Amino acid sequence: ETGVTQSPTHLIKTRGQQVTLRCSSQSGHNTVSWYQQALGQGPQFIFQYYREEENGRGNFPPRFSGLQFPNYSSELNVNALELDDSALYLCASSLGGGLTSEQFFGPGTRLTVL
Amino acid sequence: GENVEQHPSTLSVQEGDSAVIKCTYSDSASNYFPWYKQELGKRPQLIIDIRSNVGEKKDQRIAVTLNKTAKHFSLHITETQPEDSAVYFCAASTSSGNEKLTFGTGTRLTIIP
Repeated sequence: ETGVTQSPTHLIKTRGQQVTLRCSSQSGHNTVSWYQQALGQGPQFIFQYYREEENGRGNFPPRFSGLQFPNYSSELNVNALELDDSALYLCASSLGGGLTSEQFFGPGTRLTVL
Repeated sequence: GENVEQHPSTLSVQEGDSAVIKCTYSDSASNYFPWYKQELGKRPQLIIDIRSNVGEKKDQRIAVTLNKTAKHFSLHITETQPEDSAVYFCAASTSSGNEKLTFGTGTRLTIIP
């Protein structure tokens, strides 16, 4: 059984640029959730994908978008980057299906916007 | 939406003593309450969780209690060790459509040798 992986580990961008972050879910999991963790804060829910469909979204603007592939891996895209987007971006995978199952986190991608 | 409050924000405990971290939640529909431990620069790791049909759950030195009436749940760590030093987050979730976790603001636990 393989764990949740994310790439890249670190990324530096400038304001206005676009970024794509990637996540591979744990073997057997069909649900991926994305969270933003600012320094010193708890993770904030961005959105969730279940069987390739968006299944809930937090209070993030439309420039945060994502998708999930048939193998259940997922991407998070952020357009028109702002300084406040600097954070650790975490994905978590779970079994899904409304079972309120355990979510297992990846190591995160640390994004710095200059 | 759900709001989770966590106290204290920092906690220092002598090695071998117990540590208690408390959280309250606002949405009575929440039915799943995990606790995560996050070491510096690492991913959050699930250490224990509890569902709303259970009042207490224990795993070795770690226990969680849930009071649905008062909408609060607590993490108890006994016989603390230096490796328990980390930031701990509580979270709450409902089964209404998705499994969005709403996190508390975290507790930085320091174990003093």
